[in-house]
Amino acid sequence: GAGVSQSPRYKVAKRGQDVALRCDPISGHVSLFWYQQALGQGPEFLTYFQNEAQLDKSGLPSDRFFAERPEGSVSTLKIQRTQQEDSAVYLCASSLAGLAGGEQFFGPGTRLTVL
Amino acid sequence: AQTVTQSQPEMSVQEAETVTLSCTYDTSESDYYLFWYKQPPSRQMILVIRQEAYKQQNATENRFSVNFQKAAKSFSLKISDSQLGDAAMYFCAYRSRAGYSTLTFGKGTMLLVSP
Repeated sequence: GAGVSQSPRYKVAKRGQDVALRCDPISGHVSLFWYQQALGQGPEFLTYFQNEAQLDKSGLPSDRFFAERPEGSVSTLKIQRTQQEDSAVYLCASSLAGLAGGEQFFGPGTRLTVL
Repeated sequence: AQTVTQSQPEMSVQEAETVTLSCTYDTSESDYYLFWYKQPPSRQMILVIRQEAYKQQNATENRFSVNFQKAAKSFSLKISDSQLGDAAMYFCAYRSRAGYSTLTFGKGTMLLVSP
């Protein structure tokens, strides 16, 4: 596709529900990042994939957060038993390069509101 | 760990005028990248300009230029001839040159542009 896409764009969940957020990176991009952006804050790193391998998950705030990228393309961020503090915009970014970086292209984000 | 500080929550400028957004960072590394990203209300983050720390020359992209002071760990963004379309949240970000390295963002500066 032309850019990184994310779905849904908006998600409202009741506290305790599980949610799944999807990211479609730019075709051929090796690296995929998830960020969490709380209201009025800058994005904060959650996790990183190189192809299907999750190389860094140090930013995941709790074991309720789980991410996968089973075929090295589409990625899903799952949040179990959502809490109000999980309310944020979740951004996905992809880059062509593997190690040594490369420009990250961002998706439009998914705004999650937990009631 | 690296930190990025943007001390101006909001800045205002009139069309055609020049505005400077401030950013400071803290790192013990000598080789890294610095970025300015623009996030319009639609939320898709766009790269504005990038600076490599080993380069002494300040980066320039059309109306956007930076003042990179490595010793002072300062990285400001100057927008010349401001346009209404420049109105957005601007984030300063740091990335280590080593490995895949994620982005560390500041809290952002909201730029308002008036006619």
